[in-house]
Formats: sequence, C-alpha cells, structure tokens
Amino acid sequence: EAAVTQSPRNKVAVTGGKVTLSCNQTNNHNNMYWYRQDTGHGLRLIHYSYGAGSTEKGDIPDGYKASRPSQENFSLILELATPSQTSVYFCASGASGRNTEVFFGKGTRLTVV
Amino acid sequence: GDSVTQTKGPVTLSEGTSLTVNCSYETKQYPTLFWYVQYPGEGPQLLFKVPKANEKGSNRGFEATYDKGTTSFHLQKASVQESDSAVYYCVLGDRDTNAYKVIFGKGTHLHVLP
Repeated sequence: EAAVTQSPRNKVAVTGGKVTLSCNQTNNHNNMYWYRQDTGHGLRLIHYSYGAGSTEKGDIPDGYKASRPSQENFSLILELATPSQTSVYFCASGASGRNTEVFFGKGTRLTVV
Repeated sequence: GDSVTQTKGPVTLSEGTSLTVNCSYETKQYPTLFWYVQYPGEGPQLLFKVPKANEKGSNRGFEATYDKGTTSFHLQKASVQESDSAVYYCVLGDRDTNAYKVIFGKGTHLHVLP
C-alpha cells in the first residue's frame, strides 16, 4: 500500500511567521505534489517535483516555496504566512508515466492568525 | 492550459436514486482521466481511471466513459447508497515537460439521504 505521511497534521501560525509543512513518501515515486483545498475551489496545485532537487510552479505558487532534498521528502514553505493561506494542504506522490494514479496524505490543517 | 469543469454541488439524493456528475475537460494532448473520491478527514483516493479514449471505467457501481468527441467524462451510478456520501473529483493527468501533471476539478459534494 502506497504511503504518504504529512506532518504536522494541524498547525496554528502567526501572521508573518515562517511555516514548513513536511511530506514523506515510501513509494519510491518520482513525482510529488502540494495542493491546497478550500471550499468552492477544490484542490489547487501549488508546487510539484519530478525528482530530488527539482521543483516546479503549479497554478497558485505565489507566497509558497518548495524543497525536494531527496526522493522521499518534499516540503512546502511559507516564508511570511498570511491569513489567506489558512487552508488544508495535501501532499501527494505518483510514479512517472501518464496512466498512473497519485496517492495522497491525510492533509495538514493550517490556521494563520 | 489544461482544465477540468464538473457539476457544481452540493448534490443531494435519496438512497436508491441514480447519480450523474458531469465532467468536461480541455487539453491539447491525450490525457488519462480519473475519478477520485474523498471521504471526511481523508485525502482523495482513486475511484477508477481510464487511459484511452472511448473506453469505460468502473468501480463499486460507479462508471464513466472517456468521450474524446465531446471531451466529457461523466460519472454515473444507477442506485446510490448513503455510504456514497463524499466529494467526487474529476481529474486529468498529462505530461508537462518533465513531470506528470495532475489537474483536479473543483469537486462535487454528494449527500445521500437514507
């Protein structure tokens, strides 16, 4: 069973502070993704990566950075958190190839106050 | 760029009635199409996928046909159960430069009443 683990599961941050969301996968997948989920918007892609050392901008990258130091780990970084970044964040991983599914973690609920 | 548009929810049905969630997509390439389902407190999970045009996918009584002519991938179920209450996402997967990009629709929240 493919495994994607996110930490922390819940986080409260202050406006202007730095937040790092972590994701670890044991699937040996090349591709990893960060999404945010908001009512009325569904899942929106923030950043993705196709391997260690690579990061690519998704559809809504502003205010976020990503880091992929290894095959297993993919982090999402909010350098200066704002209340508009309050959301549920999902990490996912997937193998290379156009027919493959992606596997999601359980999500991180971030509240910026 | 690529996009996916699906029925805006919430959709409320009584148990035993039929379901259709419309999905249309835009792409210049030849994607794989997926339906994902998300239950409360969990991440989305694959319901089924269809990699080729004009083929049908199915799982747990849900089905959809990849129609390249009308660029549609509508989800259907003949008789819904209360346990089908969830959010359903139509998804397009395609190659983007070096990676495999996955585009989600906005999701359709289904409530099934007992």
